Amino acid sequence: NAGVTQTPKFQVLKTGQSMTLQCAQDMNHEYMSWYRQDPGMGLRLIHYSVGAGITDQGEVPNGYNVSRSTTEDFPLRLLSAAPSQTSVYFCASSYSPGQSSYNSPLHFGNGTRLTVT
Amino acid sequence: GDSVTQMEGPVTLSEEAFLTINCTYTATGYPSLFWYVQYPGEGLQLLLKATKADDKGSNKGFEATYRKETTSFHLEKGSVQVSDSAVYFCALIVLGSARQLTFGSGTQLTVLP
Repeated sequence: NAGVTQTPKFQVLKTGQSMTLQCAQDMNHEYMSWYRQDPGMGLRLIHYSVGAGITDQGEVPNGYNVSRSTTEDFPLRLLSAAPSQTSVYFCASSYSPGQSSYNSPLHFGNGTRLTVT
Repeated sequence: GDSVTQMEGPVTLSEEAFLTINCTYTATGYPSLFWYVQYPGEGLQLLLKATKADDKGSNKGFEATYRKETTSFHLEKGSVQVSDSAVYFCALIVLGSARQLTFGSGTQLTVLP
């Protein structure tokens, strides 16, 4: 029972490099999202998707791109890494058949720890 | 906007001690409230939730009551164990908020044997 799988677990980038953080879920969840976790700041939403082909910005979208070509996958792209993007990144998904499920619990992956030097 | 304020940590307790982690919130609408737990090296897991005033969420010996009059959702456990050592996050979501959970900053709990 895989749930939400994130790869890689750790990554070190140099300033200006680009990379993609992978996220896949096998629960047929419509809703997927990316959060970043920084000390003392809780989790902040970067981007989210309510279904294949639909994405939208969260609280801190600058410097990141997403796409959702399938229900299962929701990759996060860093276009030109900056030291301010050093963080732990979490992908999360939830069941979302409609408005009545807006408060369905999120299922989180184990995170990707990214360091930008 | 919406916000969640948690008591600052870290919190260190001896095994079998009573735990309270305070959480208060402000919300633009009627929120659902959650406690998530993050064990070392893992992602967050839902611990409990409450969706309307006076509801009590409970799981694994933890409890929290949705208090609308004090806008609070304090987490309690009567007797903590070493295995409860983790970071605890209070969170809320409001209908119409594009499904964006608003998290508190987290409280690190360490339980000593």
